Amino acid sequence: GEDVEQSLFLSVREGDSSVINCTYTDSSSTYLYWYKQEPGAGLQLLTYIFSNMDMKQDQRLTVLLNKKDKHLSLRIADTQTGDSAIYFCAESNGSGAGSYQLTFGKGTKLSVIP
Amino acid sequence: EADIYQTPRYLVIGTGKKITLECSQTMGHDKMYWYQQDPGMELHLIHYSYGVNSTEKGDLSSESTVSRIRTEHFPLTLESARPSHTSQYLCASSDSREDGYTFGSGTRLTVV
Repeated sequence: GEDVEQSLFLSVREGDSSVINCTYTDSSSTYLYWYKQEPGAGLQLLTYIFSNMDMKQDQRLTVLLNKKDKHLSLRIADTQTGDSAIYFCAESNGSGAGSYQLTFGKGTKLSVIP
Repeated sequence: EADIYQTPRYLVIGTGKKITLECSQTMGHDKMYWYQQDPGMELHLIHYSYGVNSTEKGDLSSESTVSRIRTEHFPLTLESARPSHTSQYLCASSDSREDGYTFGSGTRLTVV
């Protein structure tokens, strides 16, 4: 079945860039997502990228997609203490608009050191 | 502003009790999901629904049941709670692939 892998922990200094990496196995994935989960809260969609794109930028966030290597990354520029959270990579599977599910990675816990 | 609501936020109950976790969304989404999130962060899909009167079991075997009588409401019931059910339960809904899932704030359940 589909699988999404992420490293579990990342620690960066405030003001540096953070890069969170993700690999996936489903070559038919059409959408890939990054979610953020703060302590005690649900998951919040940060951004998504369609499979025919290589890059997507949204303010401090840059998503890079390498379809050949099935590799997705999220770069956070000028990382702040408020960025400390768990980040989940997810990919959509299933055909047609009527039914699809997201497969989530196990999450990367980002710790920002002041 | 949250468009998907879960109640209660926290619940501590005794073993053997029957409980229902509530999930409601105001977005008119057809698809709804229940996830169990363990302390190690991983999400496990336990139930999903693609519309009224449609429910399916997810990847993780669960002793819970769900119902979908109305589009906006997707409650999860545990007939007899056990300590192994202690976890965070997250409800989500979706409409289009571009929008992904919208998650509720979760219910943290502790069974003593």
